[in-house]
Amino acid sequence: QVHLVQSGAEMRKPGASMKVSCRASGYTFTDNFVHWVRQAPGQGLEWVGRIEPSSGAASFAQNLQGRVTMTSDTSISTAYMELTGLTSDDTAVYYCARGGHQVWLHFDLWGQGTLVTVSS
Amino acid sequence: QSVLTQPPSVSGTPGQRVTISCSGSSSNIGGNNVNWYQHLPGTAPKLLIYRNDQRPSGVPDRFSGSKSGTSASLAISGLQSDDEADFYCAAWDDSLNGHWVFGGGTKLTVL
Repeated sequence: QVHLVQSGAEMRKPGASMKVSCRASGYTFTDNFVHWVRQAPGQGLEWVGRIEPSSGAASFAQNLQGRVTMTSDTSISTAYMELTGLTSDDTAVYYCARGGHQVWLHFDLWGQGTLVTVSS
Repeated sequence: QSVLTQPPSVSGTPGQRVTISCSGSSSNIGGNNVNWYQHLPGTAPKLLIYRNDQRPSGVPDRFSGSKSGTSASLAISGLQSDDEADFYCAAWDDSLNGHWVFGGGTKLTVL
């Protein structure tokens, strides 16, 4: 079966960093983009960025540039998203999602979500 | 403020047909495909419609999508109580070196 399994919930203080993982199974990890999407409490979905696991190339939402890093470890079919300089505005459920072989293709598989809470 | 504009809520009774609109611009919907996702709080979003009007395997034909110009619509016919969820449209946006944009989401209530 095809799955994306994310790491567990995290609680961080303002100014700290967080790193969420997303392990893929059931398909060839390097064939598809991995996107990250977040949903803050009471808000809609917001695209965070994407990584192409085969090359490691990544791009990010403009409002997060400089604070977000995306990496992948193809040996264990896992993508990572790290966010630094956390504020309460970063409190959200973070999802990874499988895209297509082109960056503009839809997301057909999603992880279960990781709740990240930023609070002092 | 989301780049794509959706109504905050729609409602209908069982068996009815409802539509959810999604309005964008030439850099997103006008030049790219629209996808729709169904999201139940606490669960992973689910792809409902891709490439404007295509249904993934397993999605009932009660769900249909369309696109015209810089707008798109999701129609749900034969409304059922378990259709109640949040629905989001999404499209690739060619501006700013390319990025994905979502609508603000529409809460469907089945009365």
